[in-house]
Amino acid sequence: DGGITQSPKYLFRKEGQNVTLSCEQNLNHDAMYWYRQDPGQGLRLIYYSQIVNDFQKGDIAEGYSVSREKKESFPLTVTSAQKNPTAFYLCASRRRSRGRDTEAFFGQGTRLTVV
Amino acid sequence: EDKVVQSPLSLVVHEGDTVTLNCSYEVTNFRSLLWYKQEKKAPTFLFMLTSSGIEKKSGRLSSILDKKELFSILNITATQTGDSAVYLCAVVLFRNYGGSQGNLIFGKGTKLSVKP
Repeated sequence: DGGITQSPKYLFRKEGQNVTLSCEQNLNHDAMYWYRQDPGQGLRLIYYSQIVNDFQKGDIAEGYSVSREKKESFPLTVTSAQKNPTAFYLCASRRRSRGRDTEAFFGQGTRLTVV
Repeated sequence: EDKVVQSPLSLVVHEGDTVTLNCSYEVTNFRSLLWYKQEKKAPTFLFMLTSSGIEKKSGRLSSILDKKELFSILNITATQTGDSAVYLCAVVLFRNYGGSQGNLIFGKGTKLSVKP
């Protein structure tokens, strides 16, 4: 079955540590996105990528980094520079198309807690 | 700046009621509008709307887009407790790179609570 997989589902981080959240998709989608969700804030864009080896900062990119070395994978690193990393993180992918448009597909999310 | 605004932000109803959720937008290069339902984790896709005036239906849920007035509504009839969720609206834009907002912009969501 095609889909998008995030891991881990739950992650605990000590202050000062970097952690990496995994996002893998086998939908052959070009576009991938990382969002952060806090209560009452909706989805806020951290980074997005439209094609392999290229990505763009979103509204709240500070303290985060990404890579897009393969089409299927878009890992997100939460660095120690991110002052308030405790949140729910969602990864999404979408097919880029000049013709018929498509919806975005989401992973199950990773809940990151700083302890 | 492109904006997607949902209203109300939260809503409490009783089973059997009909609800209407609103999504308005101010964007450049509009392509399509998406509705999602989010219960605990991953948002699940409900509707994609690209043309004005064409209602999309799925069971008790329906949605319509007005590209002239720049809004969409999501209707839920005969609500059930299982409809309790956050409903997200997102706009897809015709552009690859849109600066820090990207080309897939979400509203803050409407939290719907259905009481028995």
